Amino acid sequence: AQTVTQSQPEMSVQEAETVTLSCTYDTSESDYYLFWYKQPPSRQMILVIRQEAYKQQNATENRFSVNFQKAAKSFSLKISDSQLGDAAMYFCAYRSAGGGSNYKLTFGKGTLLTVNP
Amino acid sequence: DAGVIQSPRHEVTEMGQEVTLRCKPISGHNSLFWYRQTMMRGLELLIYFNNNVPIDDSGMPEDRFSAKMPNASFSTLKIQPSEPRDSAVYFCASSLEWNQPQHFGDGTRLSIL
Repeated sequence: AQTVTQSQPEMSVQEAETVTLSCTYDTSESDYYLFWYKQPPSRQMILVIRQEAYKQQNATENRFSVNFQKAAKSFSLKISDSQLGDAAMYFCAYRSAGGGSNYKLTFGKGTLLTVNP
Repeated sequence: DAGVIQSPRHEVTEMGQEVTLRCKPISGHNSLFWYRQTMMRGLELLIYFNNNVPIDDSGMPEDRFSAKMPNASFSTLKIQPSEPRDSAVYFCASSLEWNQPQHFGDGTRLSIL
């Protein structure tokens, strides 16, 4: 079974600075998808960014980018020019691209990001 | 476009009572998921529907939990009888197809006293 590990329970960053959240995963599969979801205090789960494992190019969405290292099974999220609205719990998630349970998202435990003004 | 709509947003009830959580997926999405979020276990998939048919209910904790999807625009998750350990945030999510990104509702915070 796949597992997703977020080793940083909490992180903090100064407004306008850059922060990187770590995520590692364990899988024997070669094709899969990785996601970062954001959960602000309002509780909604918001998809921030996704990466297909077969793509070597790192995904980017405005101030959010990932560093995908397939061999190391690492998928970190970089937030540039941090804003107060970025404060939230961030979840890394894995989904298989093939096989029986390829609809299933496996989530890490989350990293709570605080943005200091 | 309207997102996934869940109701109620909060539910507080006494143990032994029946609880029904509701979800309206995004129009046109054929996959629907129910998740439970707790501090101890994080986010867990409870059940997955595709085209209104339950495909995987292996995450449903016990027989007290049941879920239905009578049509493409509505699903319910029912707990009967409820117990204090069922207290959690319950999320509904939908996706266009099974292999597309899942979009989550705002969740229902359930407290069983």
